[in-house]
Amino acid sequence: EPEVTQTPSHQVTQMGQEVILRCVPISNHLYFYWYRQILGQKVEFLVSFYNNEISEKSEIFDDQFSVERPDGSNFTLKIRSTKLEDSAMYFCASRLRDRGLSEAFFGQGTRLTVV
Amino acid sequence: AQKVTQAQTEISVVEKEDVTLDCVYETRDTTYYLFWYKQPPSGELVFLIRRNSFDEQNEISGRYSWNFQKSTSSFNFTITASQVVDSAVYFCALSEGNTGNQFYFGTGTSLTVIP
Repeated sequence: EPEVTQTPSHQVTQMGQEVILRCVPISNHLYFYWYRQILGQKVEFLVSFYNNEISEKSEIFDDQFSVERPDGSNFTLKIRSTKLEDSAMYFCASRLRDRGLSEAFFGQGTRLTVV
Repeated sequence: AQKVTQAQTEISVVEKEDVTLDCVYETRDTTYYLFWYKQPPSGELVFLIRRNSFDEQNEISGRYSWNFQKSTSSFNFTITASQVVDSAVYFCALSEGNTGNQFYFGTGTSLTVIP
């Protein structure tokens, strides 16, 4: 069964450092997302991406964040200068369609710990 | 205002008991989609069910059943004869058909099934 894969599963970084979280969406999906979940809290939308550009982003997704699909398969989230409050589980998701009955398939998550 | 409310933060049941997880949503769209996801202790988000706003038929899948009622804006999830493997956090999510493509997640209900 096709799945969304994320690497690494756990990343520890020092405050102020840049991190790149990687995702390989399901191959025929067209819409890609990043969500985050601070420990014990709900899953929050960060950004959606379609046709090589951002289609929607939340207030959380400020100038420190960027996304890219560099090679047609990987989908990355970059945090330029990490803060302690960026510590969270980051989920990548992909959908066949952006609306309608298409569910989002989520990766297993990357746990980011900023120290 | 919360678009998805899961009022039950934590529920504990004894194995083989039935349990219902509540979900109340809020939207102005006439077309929308509702989802349930399961997050086991390993952390990934597992899709369980989707339902569109035009289909109020209840659904049963094995020990799982869903009750969608537009009149009360609720999409409740029942597990019959619960098992220890059902222990997880369950998230209800809303995707609006006309105003965006992100998922709005509830805060989740943590279910513990005691053997």
